[in-house]
Amino acid sequence: GEDVEQSLFLSVREGDSSVINCTYTDSSSTYLYWYKQEPGAGLQLLTYIFSNMDMKQDQRLTVLLNKKDKHLSLRIADTQTGDSAIYFCAENGAGGSQGNLIFGKGTKLSVKP
Amino acid sequence: EPEVTQTPSHQVTQMGQEVILRCVPISNHLYFYWYRQILGQKVEFLVSFYNNEISEKSEIFDDQFSVERPDGSNFTLKIRSTKLEDSAMYFCASRQGISTFGSGTRLTVV
Repeated sequence: GEDVEQSLFLSVREGDSSVINCTYTDSSSTYLYWYKQEPGAGLQLLTYIFSNMDMKQDQRLTVLLNKKDKHLSLRIADTQTGDSAIYFCAENGAGGSQGNLIFGKGTKLSVKP
Repeated sequence: EPEVTQTPSHQVTQMGQEVILRCVPISNHLYFYWYRQILGQKVEFLVSFYNNEISEKSEIFDDQFSVERPDGSNFTLKIRSTKLEDSAMYFCASRQGISTFGSGTRLTVV
């Protein structure tokens, strides 16, 4: 079945770049998403990429998509302590009129001052 | 920017009671969803709703659960005979292209 895999933890120093990786299985995904969740809070859409794109940049965020390898990454430049959170990768597996999202388990990013 | 609104933000209920979680999707969106996140675990799809009917549901969404769009704006999730293991964060989402999530309802069953 459809699955999304992420590493569970990442620790970086403030000011460094963070790279969070994700692999997915459904090649028919039309959108791939990154969500941020702070402790006890909801899901904040950070960015998304359409499946026919290779890269998308949005201020400090860069998303890279390798469709052949079904690999998605999120790079956060100049990581700040406020970026500490759990980051979820998700794919729009079913597409079309259904479009329910399949989430990874989340990567907990810890930013050390 | 348009938002998906969920109420209440927190709900505590006794085991065996029924709860209704409420959501107001973004007004021009046509597809609605409920997801669940048990503490410390990943977000899981429960059900999708389109054109006033369920379009897909997961194995989790059994007869204990139901959804309804009682009027033109609200989208509700009813959980009957709540169990301790129903304690979770419940997220509503709506979609017209991109999914937008609400801030969630934290349900605690005691």
